[in-house]
Amino acid sequence: DAGVTQSPTHLIKTRGQHVTLRCSPISGHKSVSWYQQVLGQGPQFIFQYYEKEERGRGNFPDRFSARQFPNYSSELNVNALLLGDSALYLCASRGGQENTEAFFGQGTRLTVV
Amino acid sequence: GESVGLHLPTLSVQEGDNSIINCAYSNSASDYFIWYKQESGKGPQFIIDIRSNMDKRQGQRVTVLLNKTVKHLSLQIAATQPGDSAVYFCAENISGAGSYQLTFGKGTKLSVIP
Repeated sequence: DAGVTQSPTHLIKTRGQHVTLRCSPISGHKSVSWYQQVLGQGPQFIFQYYEKEERGRGNFPDRFSARQFPNYSSELNVNALLLGDSALYLCASRGGQENTEAFFGQGTRLTVV
Repeated sequence: GESVGLHLPTLSVQEGDNSIINCAYSNSASDYFIWYKQESGKGPQFIIDIRSNMDKRQGQRVTVLLNKTVKHLSLQIAATQPGDSAVYFCAENISGAGSYQLTFGKGTKLSVIP
């Protein structure tokens, strides 16, 4: 079975542009979360979606948005990119029950120049 | 500030020795904890988890200890191998909060000396 897949793996954007990152969860998993990992730090929670509804949002500006589709895949959108948005963006999926482990994808490395 | 932190940012151990990676958490409401391993250029990989109703849990070559009194978590790796070299993160979650939000610490880099 495929694990969590993310696309693209790498991306370079210019300040002010918009970016869309994609995530396909493990088959059967209904919960998808997004994390931002700045170099040298641990991942920081951005969003969680379960059954297509937003269940949680971290301390990120409104430039960040996300959605989950009927097939449970998800997109993370970031508008008006800043240099500080450069990071590894990670997607994690879970089966949906409380307190079960989250499985991460390999991430999308976003560089804003 | 961050809810989860690590005592040691780097740890070097001899191959074959045991490794102990420590983590402190500050949110007493956290009741679920996970250790992740992250290799360069990859996403975090699940190692082992523990719920707050347990003090100890063992996996293959790994043991997690939870001390709720002092809000401390540790990961023990037995017979450390070169393939264990990576950054290790502890993460915490509060169940019943309506969402699943892992709070990560900064990480500890484990270097295994052959």
